[in-house]
Amino acid sequence: GNSVTQMEGPVTLSEEAFLTINCTYTATGYPSLFWYVQYPGEGLQLLLKATKADDKGSNKGFEATYRKETTSFHLEKGSVQVSDSAVYFCALSDRGGGFKTIFGAGTRLFVKA
Amino acid sequence: DAGVTQSPTHLIKTRGQQVTLRCSPKSGHDTVSWYQQALGQGPQFIFQYYEEEERQRGNFPDRFSGHQFPNYSSELNVNALLLGDSALYLCASSWDGVNTEAFFGQGTRLTVV
Repeated sequence: GNSVTQMEGPVTLSEEAFLTINCTYTATGYPSLFWYVQYPGEGLQLLLKATKADDKGSNKGFEATYRKETTSFHLEKGSVQVSDSAVYFCALSDRGGGFKTIFGAGTRLFVKA
Repeated sequence: DAGVTQSPTHLIKTRGQQVTLRCSPKSGHDTVSWYQQALGQGPQFIFQYYEEEERQRGNFPDRFSGHQFPNYSSELNVNALLLGDSALYLCASSWDGVNTEAFFGQGTRLTVV
């Protein structure tokens, strides 16, 4: 079945450091891929998405590229801020976010001032 | 627009009891999905409701049931509660269609003692 594997956390960075959170997936067909963010005490917010191979999703300085050849969707940001501290989830869905979505276990990010 | 609202925010139940959680979708959305998020884990898909019927279901026992009302709001019912049912229960709404975005509520924290 479909699955998502993302790097374990926590990841601790200093402000303005470069961020990479690795995500790989297993799926039949051509799923849509997502990154969600969860701030303390809150639900999930969609951060970015990509619906086909080679698409690049981007938002708030974060970006990720749908790589079908390596079945990956790594999240990157060039300069993190303290306010980026949260848990990040990689996810996939066969038909888009409105349908059954498979989530990774999440990666907690701490950014120090 | 109030977004997705869930009630209650927190709940404590005793093992063996039954619980009902409620969700009001974002305005304009007709599809509601429920997820269970155990501590430190990613959300797990329970089921999805569309047009007042269960359309998709994840790997959860029949103790988990739901309902969708004509106004698109939804309930999640869990019978014969187990300690392992303690989790954050998230509701997500979307409108029906391919590659749509799901919006999540803040969740209901259920503790079974």
